[in-house]
Amino acid sequence: LAKTTQPISMDSYEGQEVNITCSHNNIATNDYITWYQQFPSQGPRFIIQGYKTKVTNEVASLFIPADRKSSTLSLPRVSLSDTAVYYCLVGDWVGTASKLTFGTGTRLQVTL
Amino acid sequence: EAGVAQSPRYKIIEKRQSVAFWCNPISGHATLYWYQQILGQGPKLLIQFQNNGVVDDSQLPKDRFSAERLKGVDSTLKIQPAKLEDSAVYLCASSAQSSGGTEAFFGQGTRLTVV
Repeated sequence: LAKTTQPISMDSYEGQEVNITCSHNNIATNDYITWYQQFPSQGPRFIIQGYKTKVTNEVASLFIPADRKSSTLSLPRVSLSDTAVYYCLVGDWVGTASKLTFGTGTRLQVTL
Repeated sequence: EAGVAQSPRYKIIEKRQSVAFWCNPISGHATLYWYQQILGQGPKLLIQFQNNGVVDDSQLPKDRFSAERLKGVDSTLKIQPAKLEDSAVYLCASSAQSSGGTEAFFGQGTRLTVV
């Protein structure tokens, strides 16, 4: 079972870039790295997913070094609405389906 | 595209009573997950279905929790009898891919309060 470690909380001002790093030392060859965002009273929402190097979409970028033992979620120019809990997941295989195992997440607080 | 539907949104019951939650996943999604999320914690996987078969229920308290997925589509999660520590949000999620990277879609959850 690949375990992830990420900071419990982070604070940022609106307009800044936020980088959240996740450690996953025991990542397996077939594992993908996935980040989810969760607002209060809502279910988690998929942000981005990657296997290696760099992935970018309209919301965030994901940086994965060559050894894949860590990853960094980058949120450019955050706004107040980015205040949420961010979870780093590493795909854990059960049969032929991916098992989504959540950790405690990083609580991001964005202020003016 | 319709999202994952869950009902009810809220439920309050007394301890030792039974309760059931319903989930309708996104059409065509083969994988369905049930999670329990206690306030301040990350979601904890209770059970995972692939079509109508169980692929992981290692963290499901089987003495009181049960789940089924009817014809590989809708699913119900039942608790009988409920305990105070079962107070949590129960999240259902579904995904289309069965291998490689997976994007799961979550419902809004059912908030259960056991008094």
